[in-house]
Amino acid sequence: GAVVSQHPSRVICKSGTSVKIECRSLDFQATTMFWYRQFPKQSLMLMATSNEGSKATYEQGVEKDKFLINHASLTLSTLTVTSAHPEDSSFYICSARDRRNEKLFFGSGTQLSVL
Amino acid sequence: QKEVEQNSGPLSVPEGAIASLNCTYSDRVSQSFFWYRQYSGKSPELIMSIYSNGDKEDGRFTAQLNKASQYVSLLIRDSQPSDSATYLCADARGSGNTPLVFGKGTRLSVIA
Repeated sequence: GAVVSQHPSRVICKSGTSVKIECRSLDFQATTMFWYRQFPKQSLMLMATSNEGSKATYEQGVEKDKFLINHASLTLSTLTVTSAHPEDSSFYICSARDRRNEKLFFGSGTQLSVL
Repeated sequence: QKEVEQNSGPLSVPEGAIASLNCTYSDRVSQSFFWYRQYSGKSPELIMSIYSNGDKEDGRFTAQLNKASQYVSLLIRDSQPSDSATYLCADARGSGNTPLVFGKGTRLSVIA
């Protein structure tokens, strides 16, 4: 199946710092990527839809100035958590949909811990 | 709000048995359906997709789709302890620029 690469896999940072997470589709072009967040023992929560060459679409309740998304190419989307705080600690997962078969593939996720 | 519903479980089955996971969806325009497996602390992994009514088999997994009843299921034959995970059902309601709609997942526990 298609591969989506996500880095880093784990980040520990101090409160107030910014953290950038990269998501790459390795063997297909992804005009759209999706960013999810998941708290322990809870379901996936869609944060935003990242569109190549245009602004991201954020879900209700997700602060666009806090979670900056850039989708500069057909294979790369980045999520920057700005001025992270302990309540931002979560598992962040990117995903991309292969338009050849409509299947959605997930990156390996980034565990963010803000101290 | 169009939903995808799953029983949260846990569903416990003995090793070697058939595990049956069920999912219902409310949007009749949904055309494509997916089953993902998620281990604790890991991201979801696609295990099956199904687009047409009927059964689709892949190894020990069989996906079943009934569009008239708006029902999707996943059967796991010869369940193994390594199958213990949360299984997520999802449907696609549009083209590649729309997100899948996920159920909350069913936790499966296979007892050795």
